[in-house]
Amino acid sequence: DAGITQSPRHKVTETGTPVTLRCHQTENHRYMYWYRQDPGHGLRLIHYSYGVKDTDKGEVSDGYSVSRSKTEDFLLTLESATSSQTSVYFCAASSGTIYNEQFFGPGTRLTVL
Amino acid sequence: GNSVTQMEGPVTLSEEAFLTINCTYTATGYPSLFWYVQYPGEGLQLLLKATKADDKGSNKGFEATYRKETTSFHLEKGSVQVSDSAVYFCALSDLQGGSEKLVFGKGMKLTVNP
Repeated sequence: DAGITQSPRHKVTETGTPVTLRCHQTENHRYMYWYRQDPGHGLRLIHYSYGVKDTDKGEVSDGYSVSRSKTEDFLLTLESATSSQTSVYFCAASSGTIYNEQFFGPGTRLTVL
Repeated sequence: GNSVTQMEGPVTLSEEAFLTINCTYTATGYPSLFWYVQYPGEGLQLLLKATKADDKGSNKGFEATYRKETTSFHLEKGSVQVSDSAVYFCALSDLQGGSEKLVFGKGMKLTVNP
């Protein structure tokens, strides 16, 4: 257990509303990541962070933004939720070398109606 | 860009059967290779890894060998148990842009029946 928690664990929201998911880590990892998991697509990277206030886009970043004001917290915001963003979202963290593993949180199941 | 192709399943096996999950990759340079496992209702966790050609990763009875000549990293286990029922993901490290990222395959769901 690398001390990664996500909140909320489940959320149902309506199309057009903003949604923020939170990831919190206790291991002082430099890198943090947000993925979405969908049937037939596996895990796809949304955004990642390589330090406080340093973030970059992944392969499916449209419609999402992130912020990292503290090492331990990485927020994912859906600016205006759409049904295509219904998914399971995972946060991960790592020390950032190619030999180190990424530690994953338990996931957030988001449903956009 | 870098990519991973793996068997997608789903696959159902009987307890004590032999398991192989194929994984091939396309990459520039010399990535590290990983197998992650996701048990029902949980996040992913690292199962094993290999960081250079001919390395063998092993854990919990699972093994995979980094084969540069065939760009493969197949996962094997000689005798599966019911507790191995999970989704298995092959992944490679991607250092493009100077920041470490993982590229995942689509995952393969394994069910092991008693």
